[in-house]
Amino acid sequence: AQSVTQPDIHITVSEGASLELRCNYSYGATPYLFWYVQSPGQGLQLLLKYFSGDTLVQGIKGFEAEFKRSQSSFNLRKPSVHWSDAAEYFCARWDSSASKIIFGSGTRLSIRP
Amino acid sequence: DAGVIQSPRHEVTEMGQEVTLRCKPISGHNSLFWYRQTMMRGLELLIYFNNNVPIDDSGMPEDRFSAKMPNASFSTLKIQPSEPRDSAVYFCASSPQQGGTDTQYFGPGTRLTVL
Repeated sequence: AQSVTQPDIHITVSEGASLELRCNYSYGATPYLFWYVQSPGQGLQLLLKYFSGDTLVQGIKGFEAEFKRSQSSFNLRKPSVHWSDAAEYFCARWDSSASKIIFGSGTRLSIRP
Repeated sequence: DAGVIQSPRHEVTEMGQEVTLRCKPISGHNSLFWYRQTMMRGLELLIYFNNNVPIDDSGMPEDRFSAKMPNASFSTLKIQPSEPRDSAVYFCASSPQQGGTDTQYFGPGTRLTVL
């Protein structure tokens, strides 16, 4: 089965610093890829998604992600984080072989004042 | 525009009792998903429906779990009998298109505690 890996369990960055959250996916013909954010006590919210076309995808809240087929990666970036960005971030992909969406294990982001 | 609505938001019950979680998807959405989230196992897809029809229930842990979608605006997830290991946050999500290639809109979740 296809899979999604988020190698970082927890990341802490200073407010105003840049951010990059890593996501790697197993090879698949149709890499439908997503980034979701979960604030404490809430459900998940879509930040951005990639299906095809331009490999640099812009999302909400100032986030972007770049699809790199050669590295099997779909890393999430933000130039300058705000304290309100503290949350759990999930990378996900559509598993075409199983016809279901697969979520990574998540990366918890903390913001240092 | 109301999002996905889940009830109850919190449920505390004793082992052996029946638990029913409810979900109202966004109007006009064709797919509905039930997830379970725990610290140990992360976010797991339990079952999803396309046009009220169950498509994949391979994530349902065991026969104690069942889900129904009698119409386009309502779904239930039932656990009978409940066990302490079922304690988790259960999310419902809906999506405009069939399958999982489109954006999913999540409800706020139901936090279940089984004593």
